Amino acid sequence: DGGITQSPKYLFRKEGQNVTLSCEQNLNHDAMYWYRQDPGQGLRLIYYSQIVNDFQKGDIAEGYSVSREKKESFPLTVTSAQKNPTAFYLCASSGGRSGNTIYFGEGSWLTVV
Amino acid sequence: DAKTTQPTSMDCAEGRAANLPCNHSTISGNEYVYWYRQIHSQGPQYIIHGLKNNETNEMASLIITEDRKSSTLILPHATLRDTAVYYCIVRVVETSGSRLTFGEGTQLTVNP
Repeated sequence: DGGITQSPKYLFRKEGQNVTLSCEQNLNHDAMYWYRQDPGQGLRLIYYSQIVNDFQKGDIAEGYSVSREKKESFPLTVTSAQKNPTAFYLCASSGGRSGNTIYFGEGSWLTVV
Repeated sequence: DAKTTQPTSMDCAEGRAANLPCNHSTISGNEYVYWYRQIHSQGPQYIIHGLKNNETNEMASLIITEDRKSSTLILPHATLRDTAVYYCIVRVVETSGSRLTFGEGTQLTVNP
């Protein structure tokens, strides 16, 4: 079945360490997105990419980095520069037959210990 | 970016219609209204979207006012599984891509 796969579902990180969250989609979507969600809050856009090898900063890009080397993949690295990384991270994609509608993965929980 | 305003929370009796309002008074002519819902610790689920006309699908109906400054999502026969946070979003379209900007949403609680 087509969909968006995020991994890992749960991740623990020590302070000062970088960590990379994986996002893969087999929907043939051109655009991909990363959002962050804090408990009881809405979603905030970190980065998005419309095409391979191109991406733009969202509203809270500081302390994060991304790459888009393949259409199917849009990994997010949470760097040590991100002061409050503990959050729920959501990957999404759009395009192809879905048109402008954005579809989400199931999310990854990152906890800094 | 056009901003949306939703009530923080709403309650609905099981089997009754749930009507969730949203204000988007600064919406521009080419911006769509999207609705998503999110059950705790899961990714948001797409429900419906529209531009000017009312829309209906298997999940819900979307009523957009003629001036497009507000809309209402209708779940015709709410069930307990419809308990979730519902987000009303105006689609921002930019030359370098398009994205969704989320607000706080409405916590809908369907009661037995």
